[in-house]
Order: sequence, then structure tokens, then C-alpha cells
Amino acid sequence: GAGVSQSPRYKVAKRGQDVALRCDPISGHVSLFWYQQALGQGPEFLTYFQNEAQLDKSGLPSDRFFAERPEGSVSTLKIQRTQQEDSAVYLCASSLEWTRGETQYFGPGTRLLVL
Amino acid sequence: SQQGEEDPQALSIQEGENATMNCSYKTSINNLQWYRQNSGRGLVHLILIRSNEREKHSGRLRVTLDTSKKSSSLLITASRAADTASYFCATDATGNQFYFGTGTSLTVIP
Repeated sequence: GAGVSQSPRYKVAKRGQDVALRCDPISGHVSLFWYQQALGQGPEFLTYFQNEAQLDKSGLPSDRFFAERPEGSVSTLKIQRTQQEDSAVYLCASSLEWTRGETQYFGPGTRLLVL
Repeated sequence: SQQGEEDPQALSIQEGENATMNCSYKTSINNLQWYRQNSGRGLVHLILIRSNEREKHSGRLRVTLDTSKKSSSLLITASRAADTASYFCATDATGNQFYFGTGTSLTVIP
């Protein structure tokens, strides 16, 4: 594919709503990452997939956050019962294979605003 | 929590001048990468330097790495207005996770 794509680009949710954010990685990329970026800050790691296996979810801030990649390509980040502190840009990145030193290619992000 | 910190937080220069930004990190690393982020956009990979390298060049970019001081610097020579962006360093200290710094916001004035 041309690059990592994410949808929607913008999402406004009322507090308590569930949201689902989608990531389409570059075709053939085995590794996929989700990050959360608060305003004025650098991205913070949320979770990592190798194919369909979620190998690291230590960055997920609470059990309201859930990510999946059932067929090893498209991934969805779901946030249940959204709170105002969840407002951020959610970035997805993919890599050919995550060995140390591989470049991660980032999507444009989904900007989530929880009212 | 973030592993790295960039310095300065903000930098404003005239077009044609050089821009230098620094990154410090806390633990041993395998490599360090620099990314650029334009306002409202995703991150673009600029350059990677491995822990056994001291300096690397790519076009107008020059990166240095001092593992004894746990620091790196990014130099952009002959800056252009299009270089206006936020710049982040990222390290892979613990394998799966990729830690980003807090970023330097660069403004190049035409």
C-alpha cells in the first residue's frame, strides 16, 4: 500500500461512549504499533502486534482500552466508556518486522475529542 | 513516561541558518532515531543511528550520538521554511517499546 492509513481522522465522542479507531498498515508489514499523543507531547507507546499476536500491551492506560488485529493486517483500537482524559491523537505505525533498528512508518493519526 | 527529552523545547531561526537540537535519554539503547512531525500530521522518519555509531549524515541532516553521555544531537544545515516542524528522538531501550522524547518545536522564518 501507499502508506499507513487511519480512520476516522477526527472523532468527537460524548463522555461514556465507546469508540473504535482503525489502522490499515502498509501491506506486508508484520509489526504494528499504537501510540497516544497528548497535545504538546511526544507519542507514548500503547501496544504492539506481531502479525495477529499482541506481544506487548503494557502501555494501555486502563482496561477500557482494547486493541485487536485478528487477521494480522488491519487493527482496531477500541476505547470503552470514554473519558475526557482520553482526548488525544492516536497514532498507528507499522514496520516490516520489528527487529531492533527497523523503521516505523506512521499514519496521520486519529484526533479524538471527548466532551 | 517518556524516555527522552529534547532541548530546547522551542527554537526559532532565520532561513539559511543552522538548527541544532539535542536529545538526552535515560537507559542503554540499541539505536536512536529522529522523526519530524508537521502540525496535524503523522511522524516522518528522518534518520537512524545505531549505538555503535558516533555520527551519521543524510542530506542536510547530521546526527551525533554519545552513548557515554546518553545524548544525541540533530543538526539541520541551511534551514528552509519547510523545515518548520516538531522534531522527536526515539529510542528502543527495552525491545518492543519505542520511547519518544518530548520534542523540539522548530520555526524557520523566511
